[in-house]
Amino acid sequence: AQKVTQAQTEISVVEKEDVTLDCVYETRDTTYYLFWYKQPPSGELVFLIRRNSFDEQNEISGRYSWNFQKSTSSFNFTITASQVVDSAVYFCALSESGTDKLIFGTGTRLQVFP
Amino acid sequence: DPGITQSPRHKVTETGTPVTLRCHQTENHRYMYWYRQDPGHGLRLIHYSYGVKDTDKGEVSDGYSVSRSKTEDFLLTLESATSSQTSVYFCAISQAVSRVDTEAFFGQGTRLTVV
Repeated sequence: AQKVTQAQTEISVVEKEDVTLDCVYETRDTTYYLFWYKQPPSGELVFLIRRNSFDEQNEISGRYSWNFQKSTSSFNFTITASQVVDSAVYFCALSESGTDKLIFGTGTRLQVFP
Repeated sequence: DPGITQSPRHKVTETGTPVTLRCHQTENHRYMYWYRQDPGHGLRLIHYSYGVKDTDKGEVSDGYSVSRSKTEDFLLTLESATSSQTSVYFCAISQAVSRVDTEAFFGQGTRLTVV
């Protein structure tokens, strides 16, 4: 069975701190996709990144970076120099090859204080 | 932003009444999904559709039905609303299964309260 675990329910940091959001997944497939979505207080879901299981290269986009490690079944998300606008709920999700159905983790609420 | 419109955005209804939520897309994407979001559960898949008149159940489909008579519209119906169906409902669309660059785009959500 597929499963995504985000063990951190809520994280609070002060602006400019670095913060890492953890994501651990379970799947029997060898081909799968991993995603991160951001849900700001306004409620919409914003796509951040997609990674396929054959690409373990870390990715950096501005202050955001992602660390994909198949050996530990983890896809962690780091925000460098956090800002108040980063305050949101962040969801990690998994889909298996041949389907776009997403399996979500329970989310991590990040609060960044000025 | 992808053209996805959910209606209504907010609804309060009484227990036992039928409710229909609508998802409309202007992207001509083949795949459409309904999720519900609840505290402590993240988002869970209710039903999905591969195309017109082609639908299937997701993880939490009991008490829900769907219909897709046109590519652009995907309707979610609560046959007889219960308080446990109080939730935020999200519609999502995606271009195609097995495309490497596909991802799901989400609507703005519908907040449904069953009293």
